[in-house]
Amino acid sequence: EIVLTQSPGTLSLSPGERATLSCRASQSVHSRYLAWYQQKPGQAPGLLIYGASNRATGIPDRFSGSGSETDFTLTISGLEPEDFAVYYCQQYGSSPLTFGGGTKVEI
Amino acid sequence: QVLLQESGPGLMKPSETLSLTCTVSGLSISASKYYWGWIRQPPGKGLEWIATIYYSGATYYNPSLQSRVTMSIDASKRQFSLKLRSVTAADTAVYYCVRPTGGFEGWFDPWGQGVVVTVSS
Repeated sequence: EIVLTQSPGTLSLSPGERATLSCRASQSVHSRYLAWYQQKPGQAPGLLIYGASNRATGIPDRFSGSGSETDFTLTISGLEPEDFAVYYCQQYGSSPLTFGGGTKVEI
Repeated sequence: QVLLQESGPGLMKPSETLSLTCTVSGLSISASKYYWGWIRQPPGKGLEWIATIYYSGATYYNPSLQSRVTMSIDASKRQFSLKLRSVTAADTAVYYCVRPTGGFEGWFDPWGQGVVVTVSS
């Protein structure tokens, strides 16, 4: 099983700042099969990024994903008030599919 | 637009069998070669993949739950279901139905709104 470790656990920033979230895998993720999700309180997660760097439909270009093998990054360039939420990474390169523990981006 | 809606019991007692149903709107389960799945999230915790089913009925389970889980599909009702046997307090969670995209091993989009299941004596 691939274990995903997200850091930091909490990121305290202000609107307009840049957020850099890390997701590290315990073994190489096949073909960059990594996704990122955003979850706001009381809501289901929503897809942001798939294939490590492909934005999902309707996702603003201030969200970008990068990385390969065991190190992946989600960058939010210029935080908007609606971006304060919890972010999860997920690998789908091998079964069982696994998620990271999440990074909370707070004001 | 594909929409998913979960339904389930809410409150359960230990040792009972949890039965959840997801109703799909916006496309035909039987006409489209899609996968469907379940994910859960315990209170204040992260996400756990439970199971995935193909439109043909082929199933894929998380090994950590495989001995207690059964997933099925009823295309005529546009529904797929999850059964989790012998529940304990550790199964208390929000359960989401999802559509794995890009194959069985894929990302999840869209998600249902989730159904809260509490296991308590």
